[in-house]
Amino acid sequence: KQEVTQIPAALSVPEGENLVLNCSFTDSAIYNLQWFRQDPGKGLTSLLLIQSSQREQTSGRLNASLDKSSGRSTLYIAASQPGDSATYLCAVLPGGSYIPTFGRGTSLIVHP
Amino acid sequence: DTGVSQDPRHKITKRGQNVTFRCDPISEHNRLYWYRQTLGQGPEFLTYFQNEAQLEKSRLLSDRFSAERPKGSFSTLEIQRTEQGDSAMYLCASSPGSQRRNTIYFGEGSWLTVV
Repeated sequence: KQEVTQIPAALSVPEGENLVLNCSFTDSAIYNLQWFRQDPGKGLTSLLLIQSSQREQTSGRLNASLDKSSGRSTLYIAASQPGDSATYLCAVLPGGSYIPTFGRGTSLIVHP
Repeated sequence: DTGVSQDPRHKITKRGQNVTFRCDPISEHNRLYWYRQTLGQGPEFLTYFQNEAQLEKSRLLSDRFSAERPKGSFSTLEIQRTEQGDSAMYLCASSPGSQRRNTIYFGEGSWLTVV
């Protein structure tokens, strides 16, 4: 059974810092990995989708990397802003399945 | 695309009552998912539809839970004889096409509080 772990569970940083969020998964036979953002009480917003054949994806200040063989993905946020405060979740789509498995998320606070 | 729409956004019900949530996926998205999320946890898979066919159900989906997707368009999730442990946010998501490579899109969720 695929298990997804996100470390740290919570993070508080001053505005302007570059930061890295981590996601690890136990079974490297994945089809793709998706990063989401969730604001309190809201649904999930897709940030980046990385196919298993890709190494990274970029969108604005966000860069996600994937190392399938080691079962890891990182989400890099450059020049963090208070508006980045949210919970960030990663979801892995296992090979042979249509059902994404989620981690518990990293709760990020960026303070002015 | 108007996005995935869920209704109601919030529901407070007494223990033992039945509740129904509705999800309207993005137009022409043939895959539809239901997840449940509690505070501090990631979304947990409940069930998945490809068009009108319910292809997978989680063990979390007890016999009090039923989901339908008539005609492969909107979907409903019904919880019968609600219990306090059912209090959670119920999330619906959809994805286009038959390929697994596509992004999945979530709605804003339906909050359920059982008192």
